[in-house]
Amino acid sequence: QSVLTQPPSVSGAPGQRVTISCTGSSSNIGAGYDVHWYQQLPGTAPKLLIYGNSNRPSGVPDRFSGSKSGTSASLAITGLQAEDEADYYCQSYDSSLSGFWVFGGGTKLTVL
Amino acid sequence: QVQLVESGGGVVQPGGSLRLSCAASGFTFSSYGMHWVRQAPGKGLEWVAFIRYDGSNKYYADSVKGRFTISRDNSKNTLYLQMNSLRAEDTAVYYCAKLSPGRAFDIWGQGTMVTVSS
Repeated sequence: QSVLTQPPSVSGAPGQRVTISCTGSSSNIGAGYDVHWYQQLPGTAPKLLIYGNSNRPSGVPDRFSGSKSGTSASLAITGLQAEDEADYYCQSYDSSLSGFWVFGGGTKLTVL
Repeated sequence: QVQLVESGGGVVQPGGSLRLSCAASGFTFSSYGMHWVRQAPGKGLEWVAFIRYDGSNKYYADSVKGRFTISRDNSKNTLYLQMNSLRAEDTAVYYCAKLSPGRAFDIWGQGTMVTVSS
């Protein structure tokens, strides 16, 4: 069981908007630690998608956006495209005894 | 071109050992902390270990503490993961990743597969 909780799957039609939630606790997201998001296309390594809650690395389309509030964070994808079909992971830092760097369980995005 | 390339994966029997390497290029390796992250077949990402830029501090996930050792050779721009007392549950693709100034994993290698099986 992951420290950060994500829905196992989400889906949307091309052009639609989807959101992926990431729920933590007072020892990670709620403690003020940044949330980062990664995209993993099938058969490839993860790629940094959003860093510092809402910042996009160079080359990431502005269709991808992130936000954080309280003990949760969200990734939003607008104008869904077929190539967005992938697994998405949130990640933060946890200050509990068995913490350090923690990931969500991952969300599979299906473009219908 | 910023790049991380892992090597050293393979098939090993339970209780055996393996050493993974991660060769870095395109950035000042000695200035950044580095991580190992693994992904079991069909599963999510699991952080494994971290080493500071100068090797002064190392941190491990509970699942590997006492069995795995992370190290680095800044003169060779290379990160290592020594894995001892391997178990079936250690079977995974192992990725090395660079820690960004903002504490994200901003550069990832392509991964190397480790299979623990008799």
